[in-house]
Amino acid sequence: AQSVAQPEDQVNVAEGNPLTVKCTYSVSGNPYLFWYVQYPNRGLQFLLKYITGDNLVKGSYGFEAEFNKSQTSFHLKKPSALVSDSALYFCAVRDNTDKLIFGTGTRLQVFP
Amino acid sequence: DSGVTQTPKHLITATGQRVTLRCSPRSGDLSVYWYQQSLDQGLQFLIQYYNGEERAKGNILERFSAQQFPDLHSELNLSSLELGDSALYFCASSVLDSQNTEAFFGQGTRLTVV
Repeated sequence: AQSVAQPEDQVNVAEGNPLTVKCTYSVSGNPYLFWYVQYPNRGLQFLLKYITGDNLVKGSYGFEAEFNKSQTSFHLKKPSALVSDSALYFCAVRDNTDKLIFGTGTRLQVFP
Repeated sequence: DSGVTQTPKHLITATGQRVTLRCSPRSGDLSVYWYQQSLDQGLQFLIQYYNGEERAKGNILERFSAQQFPDLHSELNLSSLELGDSALYFCASSVLDSQNTEAFFGQGTRLTVV
């Protein structure tokens, strides 16, 4: 069965520093991977996706993610964090019935 | 704005009652998904419809049911409500072609069972 794991419940980073939110996946076949962000009392917003091609995927709000097949990882990154990036981040994988399977989420806290 | 509309935004009801949550997908999206988000369970997939037909089912309770209508809007019916059903319920929609694989989420319905 397809699954993703987010090993960190919370990531703390100072504003201006680079950030990484980790995600590993377990799939059979080629993975379709996604990152979503959830701000308080809001729905999930799509950030970026990996289907095929370049291992470095660029998305919204300056975020990018690196697909690493050998490490089965799809970590979310940003070169310089903003306080406004503080939110809940979800990694997801599309399974063979086309539904999204989500990780448990990582809370990102960016301190001024 | 994702283009997915959910109503109502908030719902407070008593145990044992029945409620209906409504979702209008983005224009052109044939696939609709329902998810439940509670504090201790994360995002749980409930059910998916594609062009009116049920396509996939997750850990949806027998007390819950859903349908997708010919105009592609969907409703999630929750009956015999229990305190533990209190959660955020999200609807998402997608096109589901080879390139447009992402789903777009509504703002959710916050259900409180008292």
